Amino acid sequence: DAKTTQPNSMESNEEEPVHLPCNHSTISGTDYIHWYRQLPSQGPEYVIHGLTSNVNNRMASLAIAEDRKSSTLILHRATLRDAAVYYCILIGGGTSYGKLTFGQGTILTVHP
Amino acid sequence: DAGITQSPRHKVTETGTPVTLRCHQTENHRYMYWYRQDPGHGLRLIHYSYGVKDTDKGEVSDGYSVSRSKTEDFLLTLESATSSQTSVYFCAISEGRKNTGELFFGEGSRLTVL
Repeated sequence: DAKTTQPNSMESNEEEPVHLPCNHSTISGTDYIHWYRQLPSQGPEYVIHGLTSNVNNRMASLAIAEDRKSSTLILHRATLRDAAVYYCILIGGGTSYGKLTFGQGTILTVHP
Repeated sequence: DAGITQSPRHKVTETGTPVTLRCHQTENHRYMYWYRQDPGHGLRLIHYSYGVKDTDKGEVSDGYSVSRSKTEDFLLTLESATSSQTSVYFCAISEGRKNTGELFFGEGSRLTVL
């Protein structure tokens, strides 16, 4: 399975935008890019996913590089509730979620 | 929130005892998964199920077995618990196998093996 690389940690101030990078240089043409986040003492929570085009939803935006070898999760205005571990994962075309493995993710700290 | 309930939420047991964790869903989703989460390892897949009585191994299946006799229940059993199985266990469900959907996770079960 294609692997992703994320920074171990990032910091932000409240109400400022946050850009969380993810490198996936071995991505294949059918891999979808998914982002999940995990708040302390909770299970992971779906954030957003995309294939080639940039995506927006109520939680965040996903910017995908033209060559798809990297992507960036954008939180437009960070809040204290956004402090969490963010996971970037690739899921191949037709692949069951059963083949899925989460890496170590990025710990996001948000300062008041 | 997706209807996923894990039980027990916390359990302390001794080495060598059997342990069963239960995952119950009310969403009628076909796919169910068990992950474990340990510091430095992220989440790792133990077993998953793609239907009643249909299961398959994940990345770290040794020492674990699963059963799914009903759509709504997915059981994870440690036949003889070891200290290396001290972890937080998460159940997850998905509607289908397509990679365009969401995984919904339970709240987790913290298991301590003494």
